[in-house]
Amino acid sequence: TQLLEQSPQFLSIQEGENLTVYCNSSSVFSSLQWYRQEPGEGPVLLVTVVTGGEVKKLKRLTFQFGDARKDSSLHITAAQPGDTGLYLCAGKLNRDDKIIFGKGTRLHILP
Amino acid sequence: EAGVAQSPRYKIIEKRQSVAFWCNPISGHATLYWYQQILGQGPKLLIQFQNNGVVDDSQLPKDRFSAERLKGVDSTLKIQPAKLEDSAVYLCASSFTSGTGTYEQYFGPGTRLTVT
Repeated sequence: TQLLEQSPQFLSIQEGENLTVYCNSSSVFSSLQWYRQEPGEGPVLLVTVVTGGEVKKLKRLTFQFGDARKDSSLHITAAQPGDTGLYLCAGKLNRDDKIIFGKGTRLHILP
Repeated sequence: EAGVAQSPRYKIIEKRQSVAFWCNPISGHATLYWYQQILGQGPKLLIQFQNNGVVDDSQLPKDRFSAERLKGVDSTLKIQPAKLEDSAVYLCASSFTSGTGTYEQYFGPGTRLTVT
């Protein structure tokens, strides 16, 4: 059983379009993170959210942590080919727990 | 600032052979992690070190996997003997442990292992 479910698994869209990917769980997380991983590289941290309802923006990327701290979303505005990659959500159930990763959403932006 | 270094980048071995991976974390990072990422999956934590002590190895298959972090800096992960299902990317990460509970892990590029 996957503790963090990410959807969709794959997404291919045209440059300039907007998109949202999701990370859902039936468990409450103390914090959630989003990473981007490019082929042949390790994941790179994009953001950490810790407060229910929290919204963080990173240029064209907007991250939201659900009010109940069970889910999160990543919205990309005006997607660019450089946004292509595997987007992973990861979280901790409790502060001192190990990090649990979802399977990721593989995003491909077509020029 | 130099990132997390891993070697080798690629390794192909036959089943039942042994293999070892090396990781050099970012200078000053007390916490070091080894993850296994099977194709199509997210990374799974194998072992976490705090300095040279093991914090969590609950998901490490101890009958065939071992890891050490001598002197609290570099670390090696060994598989002996390897099985076909060990084919994966092995990622090393490190973090500067903070007391606030927030954390940032920096990942190395990984070692892609193929077991034939």
